[in-house]
Amino acid sequence: DVKVTQSSRYLVKRTGEKVFLECVQDMDHENMFWYRQDPGLGLRLIYFSYDVKMKEKGDIPEGYSVSREKKERFSLILESASTNQTSMYLCASSKGLRTSSYNEQFFGPGTRLTVL
Amino acid sequence: GENVEQHPSTLSVQEGDSAVIKCTYSDSASNYFPWYKQELGKGPQLIIDIRSNVGEKKDQRIAVTLNKTAKHFSLHITETQPEDSAVYFCAASIPQAGTALIFGKGTTLSVSS
Repeated sequence: DVKVTQSSRYLVKRTGEKVFLECVQDMDHENMFWYRQDPGLGLRLIYFSYDVKMKEKGDIPEGYSVSREKKERFSLILESASTNQTSMYLCASSKGLRTSSYNEQFFGPGTRLTVL
Repeated sequence: GENVEQHPSTLSVQEGDSAVIKCTYSDSASNYFPWYKQELGKGPQLIIDIRSNVGEKKDQRIAVTLNKTAKHFSLHITETQPEDSAVYFCAASIPQAGTALIFGKGTTLSVSS
């Protein structure tokens, strides 16, 4: 079974802190994604990556950065956390080349981040 | 850019009834439309998907229909059961963005027995 794991289920941070959210997948998937989920807004794409050291902005990249140094790991970084970044963060991965046919995205369980 | 609208936001049905969730998309170049189910405390999980060269796809009690001309697609669940209660998301591929998807805002389905 494909497994996507996220480093924490719950996280509480203070305003201004630098926050790292880690995601690891064990199926050698090329593509990895970070979303945030807020009530009434659904899932919104923050960043995605289709290869090591490659990244693409999603719909809401402001205030976030990402790092993909290894194929299996995709990190989301909040450079200076703010209260409006309190949310559920979901990581996903999928097979496939960047421009080839679409494949199922497998999601992790999510990290609920609270910024005080 | 691509935009996906999903309706209704909440849906309550009796066990055994059918449930229908509808989505519209804006970019006619989108060609892949998956549906995800999210249970409480879990990440979304794919339940069915359809590509633009197909008008309908069925998997047991779940079916998806696609109308490319009208740019809308729908999820149909027949003979609903309490375990179908969850949040359902539709999504559409984002043209020129590799394999990224844009999601609807979700429908909370409640099936009462």
